[in-house]
Amino acid sequence: ETGVTQTPRHLVMGMTNKKSLKCEQHLGHNAMYWYKQSAKKPLELMFVYSLEERVENNSVPSRFSPECPNSSHLFLHLHTLQPEDSALYLCASSQGTGVGEKLFFGSGTQLSVL
Amino acid sequence: GQQVMQIPQYQHVQEGEDFTTYCNSSTTLSNIQWYKQRPGGHPVFLIQLVKSGEVKKQKRLTFQFGEAKKNSSLHITATQTTDVGTYFCAGETGTASKLTFGTGTRLQVTL
Repeated sequence: ETGVTQTPRHLVMGMTNKKSLKCEQHLGHNAMYWYKQSAKKPLELMFVYSLEERVENNSVPSRFSPECPNSSHLFLHLHTLQPEDSALYLCASSQGTGVGEKLFFGSGTQLSVL
Repeated sequence: GQQVMQIPQYQHVQEGEDFTTYCNSSTTLSNIQWYKQRPGGHPVFLIQLVKSGEVKKQKRLTFQFGEAKKNSSLHITATQTTDVGTYFCAGETGTASKLTFGTGTRLQVTL
């Protein structure tokens, strides 16, 4: 148990569906992240939040919409996704966003878009 | 943009053999981190290297940071089946946290 909980663990959705991924961290950290992990590709940073403010949006399509209501919770709202969006979506947290912060990852949501 | 490559992509060893994965960055790094992801699992932080030429050990694992701070390696001595997984390096540049992950090396260990 890393202290970062993600739900659901698995999600299958059609291209016209709307769904949300949830992440909660119990570590008292101030920064939270969304990463995308596709087969045979490096982990891709999608969004960074520091103290509930979005500090990084890594050219992610608008069909992915993050929300950070407080420093412990992070959501990723999904709508009109494409099959190529199928991947493992990992949430992570860190104490801050300075250099040298180590990331604590959740177990991920395995997303399949049909 | 910054790129971090790892070689090999995959290695299969017999238990007891040694294993090394190499990480190379296109730019000079301020620090490098290593993570391990077990099959079906999530990345778990192993270690961070900051100084040029730094060497750190964790039991059978030895981590090195190159003198030019553009490359790093992870060496496992006498592999065990518990070492199975994918090992990622992740480098940072500049003054703000923005890790660029490497492509990963998947290690398979058989008896």
